[in-house]
Amino acid sequence: GNSVTQMEGPVTLSEEAFLTINCTYTATGYPSLFWYVQYPGEGLQLLLKATKADDKGSNKGFEATYRKETTSFHLEKGSVQVSDSAVYFCALRGNYGQNFVFGPGTRLSVLP
Amino acid sequence: EAGVAQSPRYKIIEKRQSVAFWCNPISGHATLYWYQQILGQGPKLLIQFQNNGVVDDSQLPKDRFSAERLKGVDSTLKIQPAKLEDSAVYLCASSLVSAGLNYNEQFFGPGTRLTVL
Repeated sequence: GNSVTQMEGPVTLSEEAFLTINCTYTATGYPSLFWYVQYPGEGLQLLLKATKADDKGSNKGFEATYRKETTSFHLEKGSVQVSDSAVYFCALRGNYGQNFVFGPGTRLSVLP
Repeated sequence: EAGVAQSPRYKIIEKRQSVAFWCNPISGHATLYWYQQILGQGPKLLIQFQNNGVVDDSQLPKDRFSAERLKGVDSTLKIQPAKLEDSAVYLCASSLVSAGLNYNEQFFGPGTRLTVL
């Protein structure tokens, strides 16, 4: 079945550092890929998405590129802020209408 | 626009007791989801409703979990009897539609944290 693997956290960075959170997936066909973010005490929010190979999703300075050849969707941000501290979830949705499969989440802490 | 509402936010019960969670989706959203999120893991879909019909409940432990969405709006998720391993955050989400290859963003509620002692 479909699955998502993320780098383990927690990830601790200083403000303005470069962020990469790795995500790889296993799925048949051409799934859609997503990053969700969960801020402390809040529900999950969609951060960005990509629906086909080579698409780049971007939002709030975050980017991720759908790489079918490496089955990856790594999340990057050039300069993190303290307000980016949250848990980040990589997820996929199969292209046969299957429901979402989420990765385990990566906790990011950004120190001032 | 009001978001997805859930209650209660926290619940502590003893094993073998029963518990119910309530979800009010965003107005006009036909699709409603219940997820279980165990500490350190990503959300796992328990059940998906389209209006008041069940679309997918393949991962719902039907011997103890039940859910309903009367009138296609609010939904309740019940656990009876609870086990220690049911300790988790239960998330409700809603979207406009989720049919076939079409994707509509899921909006999540804040969740209900259940502790089973």
